[in-house]
Amino acid sequence: ELKVEQNPLFLSMQEGKNYTIYCNYSTTSDRLYWYRQDPGKSLESLFVLLSNGAVKQEGRLMASLDTKARLSTLHITAAVHDLSATYFCAVDPAGAGSYQLTFGKGTKLSVIP
Amino acid sequence: DVKVTQSSRYLVKRTGEKVFLECVQDMDHENMFWYRQDPGLGLRLIYFSYDVKMKEKGDIPEGYSVSREKKERFSLILESASTNQTSMYLCASSSPPSVKAFFGQGTRLTVV
Repeated sequence: ELKVEQNPLFLSMQEGKNYTIYCNYSTTSDRLYWYRQDPGKSLESLFVLLSNGAVKQEGRLMASLDTKARLSTLHITAAVHDLSATYFCAVDPAGAGSYQLTFGKGTKLSVIP
Repeated sequence: DVKVTQSSRYLVKRTGEKVFLECVQDMDHENMFWYRQDPGLGLRLIYFSYDVKMKEKGDIPEGYSVSREKKERFSLILESASTNQTSMYLCASSSPPSVKAFFGQGTRLTVV
C-alpha cells in the first residue's frame, strides 16, 4: 500500500522566516504534485515535479524532488501572511500520468505577523 | 481557464437517501475523478474514469458508484447515504499531455 507522509502536519511560523515541508512516499512514482488549499476552497495546483532532481520555484515557494530518497520538499522563503493555507503533496503511483493521485494528509501553515 | 464545476456547494441529506453529486468540466478532458476529503486524512480517491461509460474503482469505492454517460459529466452516486459518508467531495479532471489535474470547488455533504 502506498503511503505518503507529510511533516509537519501543523506549522506556525513568523513572517519573514524560512521553513521546509517534507513529503515522503513509499513507492516508485514518476511525478510528484504540490497543491495549496485555502479554507473552504478547492485545491490549486502549485507544482508538478517530473524527474529526479527537479526543482521548481514560484515566488516564495520552491519545490524539489529526490526520487531515489522518495522525498520532496516545499521550501518557504521569508514567509508572508498570504501563504497561510494547507499544502498537500500527492504522488501518481500508477505512473505515466495516470492521475490516480495518492495524497498526504496535508500541512496546515499559519504565518503570524 | 479550465473549469470544473460541481453542482452543489452544500448538501444535507437523510440517512438512506440516494444522493447524486454532479461534476461537469468544460475542457474536453478524458480523465475525471472523485475524491473525498476528511480532516486528518487528506484526499482519498473513490472512483475515476478515463473515457465515456468507463469507470474504475479507486482506493475507497465501497458505498459509492459512478456514471459517465457524456465526456464532460461525471456523477458520483451514494446508493443509500450513511452518516459516515458525511464529507467534502472533490471532483477533478485532467487530460494528457497536460501534467495537471484541475479540481472543482467541492461539495460539502452532510448526512443526518
